[in-house]
Amino acid sequence: DAGVIQSPRHEVTEMGQEVTLRCKPISGHNSLFWYRQTMMRGLELLIYFNNNVPIDDSGMPEDRFSAKMPNASFSTLKIQPSEPRDSAVYFCASSFGVGAKNIQYFGAGTRLSVL
Amino acid sequence: GENVGLHLPTLSVQEGDNSIINCAYSNSASDYFIWYKQESGKGPQFIIDIRSNMDKRQGQRVTVLLNKTVKHLSLQIAATQPGDSAVYFCAENSGGSNYKLTFGKGTLLTVNP
Repeated sequence: DAGVIQSPRHEVTEMGQEVTLRCKPISGHNSLFWYRQTMMRGLELLIYFNNNVPIDDSGMPEDRFSAKMPNASFSTLKIQPSEPRDSAVYFCASSFGVGAKNIQYFGAGTRLSVL
Repeated sequence: GENVGLHLPTLSVQEGDNSIINCAYSNSASDYFIWYKQESGKGPQFIIDIRSNMDKRQGQRVTVLLNKTVKHLSLQIAATQPGDSAVYFCAENSGGSNYKLTFGKGTLLTVNP
């Protein structure tokens, strides 16, 4: 199994630009999580999908952030417009089952730098 | 690396020694706990999990202990190897409508050869 695949691995952009992060979960997994990791705040859940439906988006910072899961094998996290404070490592994780009490498998992350 | 905080607890051990990494959690309603290992430049990797109806669980070279009375979790790594060097995170979940794993700040483990 290739595991959770995220792209791009690194993204450098200028303030105000749109950024789209991509995730392919493990085949057969029905839960998908987007996290953000920073030195100051650690790992934070942004949004949780189950069976392609957003279940909990309370962690999404503001309207500039949006996430979609058009099918079971693909999800995107979009930031528009991006700001320097969005600089972080963004992780996607997938699991089989409902909720957080199942092992989540993380991708390698996308390191975003907004200049 | 990106996963090292300004005040990240650190533990330095000699290769072959046993390591104990501690974690205090705050939510007495939490009933699921999990340990992740994160190497520099990589995503968190599952190590072991435990539910609140247990106080001990063993894996390969790792043991997790749960003390619900004092809300404390520990990860023991036997015969620590250089490849164990990483940041270790504990996380908790209280279930119900809570879909969040709440992660701790992490502990940096350095294994000296």
